[in-house]
Amino acid sequence: DAGVTQSPTHLIKTRGQQVTLRCSPKSGHDTVSWYQQALGQGPQFIFQYYEEEERQRGNFPDRFSGHQFPNYSSELNVNALLLGDSALYLCASSLPHGNTGELFFGEGSRLTVL
Amino acid sequence: SQQGEEDPQALSIQEGENATMNCSYKTSINNLQWYRQNSGRGLVHLILIRSNEREKHSGRLRVTLDTSKKSSSLLITASRAADTASYFCATINTGGFKTIFGAGTRLFVKA
Repeated sequence: DAGVTQSPTHLIKTRGQQVTLRCSPKSGHDTVSWYQQALGQGPQFIFQYYEEEERQRGNFPDRFSGHQFPNYSSELNVNALLLGDSALYLCASSLPHGNTGELFFGEGSRLTVL
Repeated sequence: SQQGEEDPQALSIQEGENATMNCSYKTSINNLQWYRQNSGRGLVHLILIRSNEREKHSGRLRVTLDTSKKSSSLLITASRAADTASYFCATINTGGFKTIFGAGTRLFVKA
């Protein structure tokens, strides 16, 4: 049973570019959450997708957008990249009927913005 | 902003010693969870304690929860070098959907 998979694992972009990160949830999970983790900090909640809708959003600008597909996989898009967007982006999936318990994390996508 | 705040920020101990990490949070919660993260990797769930529980054990882990003080502690007994990692507490607000993480405690266990 595959866990949460994320791609790409590492990528380098320049300021102003756009990036798309992808996540496949653990089998049987329908809820996907995205987090940004700067070096030495805790994960910061970006948003959560459930039933292909953004259910809740953290304190991130509209440059951060997402999508969930019918197979529950998800994408995170970041437009107009800034140096401060450099971070580890983590995807987490959870069991059906909401997010009341354990999150299963992927290994993350490390984004470097030059 | 982060809901949980861990204390201490960093902890260095000898193998075999116990490690205690504390977490404080601000609002009413459904449950509190602890996660572990090896350097630069994904987080791994360790244990969940519900708001109506006061203590929970899992192997060498012991978690306590005091909802009146809005605080929790994680005790790792008989630590090993392999326990070296960052540990985060996480909460879900009552009626909410998002899990909010603290800044973490960095534990270093010396062999």
